Order: sequence, then C-alpha cells, then structure tokens
Amino acid sequence: NAGVMQNPRHLVRRRGQEARLRCSPMKGHSHVYWYRQLPEEGLKFMVYLQKENIIDESGMPKERFSAEFPKEGPSILRIQQVVRGDSAAYFCASSPQTGDGTDTQYFGPGTRLTVL
Amino acid sequence: QKEVEQDPGPLSVPEGAIVSLNCTYSNSAFQYFMWYRQYSRKGPELLMYTYSSGNKEDGRFTAQVDKSSKYISLFIRDSQPSDSATYLCAMKKSYNTDKLIFGTGTRLQVFP
Repeated sequence: NAGVMQNPRHLVRRRGQEARLRCSPMKGHSHVYWYRQLPEEGLKFMVYLQKENIIDESGMPKERFSAEFPKEGPSILRIQQVVRGDSAAYFCASSPQTGDGTDTQYFGPGTRLTVL
Repeated sequence: QKEVEQDPGPLSVPEGAIVSLNCTYSNSAFQYFMWYRQYSRKGPELLMYTYSSGNKEDGRFTAQVDKSSKYISLFIRDSQPSDSATYLCAMKKSYNTDKLIFGTGTRLQVFP
C-alpha cells in the first residue's frame, strides 16, 4: 500500500510565476490536509479538504493561495504570483474517516519550493 | 503566546541514554496528542498517538500526557544513533478529522 505521494519533490520558480503542488492520498483515505514548514519552524496548518469540498481553510493566506481536491485525481495546492516568502516545504497529509478516534494523519515526503 | 511550546534543542546525548522530550500547551480543548519523528528533508512519521491523560508504551518509546498540567512527554529508552532526528509534538481538539497544531520540534542527536 503506497503512502502519501507528493510531486514534484523540488520546485523552483521565479517571482511572479505560479506553483502547483500535487498530493495523492493513501489508498482508502478521503481526507487531505496541507501544511507549510518554514525553516526552523514547525508545521503550520493551511487547509483541510475532502473530495470536492473545502472543509477548513482557516490557515490559508487570503490571497494567491488556493486548494482543490477533485472527484478524480490528486489534490492541488496552487500558489499564484509567488514571492520569496513562499519558499518553504509544503507537506500533504491524508487520513481515513474511521470515526473511532484512530483517524490519524499520515504525511507525504513534501515539496520543497524555492522562489528565486 | 504560541498554542504549543517545544524546546528547539538541539539535544545531544550518548548512545544508550534515556531521552526526555516535552511540550506544553495552553488550550485545554486539546484531547488527542501525537509525536512525529522527522528526518532531515523528509516528511513527518507518526510515532505515538494518545488520547487524554495517561501513558502509552510502544517498544523503546513511552508517551505521557498530563492534561491537568497541559504537559506531554516522549521518552526514548536505549537511544540509538538512528534516533537522531527532529521530534515534533502535535495535538488536536476533536477525535474526528481535525487539523493538527504542531510544536516547533526538538532536534535530537545521539552520538555513538
């Protein structure tokens, strides 16, 4: 059973370009979370999605950032007009919906975004 | 004040030592507590998952939760060089799917 998959693993963009980060959850998992990790900092929650629905986007910056989890295909985190401050590691996590308290989150390897 | 506080370290110990890692938190609504291990340039890996106060043991790892003090701990017995990593505490309010709030992580180095 493959784990959470993210691609690309490394992404370099120039200021003003768009960045698209992809996440495929573990098989059988219907919940996807995106987190951002800045250097020397812990992971910060960005957004929580289920298929075709955004459940909680309280951690998303108000501008330039968007996320989706379509019925078919991976979840996408999109950053428009990137700035140097967007340089970070972006992690995706997925969890099943068990309802019994065991729905922990399993993380992918991350996408490291560098903005030049 | 951050919701979750964690000493960043680094913590350097000899092989075989007992390691104690700790986090404090301010929000009494947190009910579920986790410890993740993160190797350099890798994704976090779940180590321990506990609910409410008490102890949980898994091999060389023991997680403790003291809700009255808002304090959680991870103990590593017989530490190995392969334990060298950053350890992140995380917590959430609901047993259902819910966002995790992380500490900043403690960097641990175990030397031979």
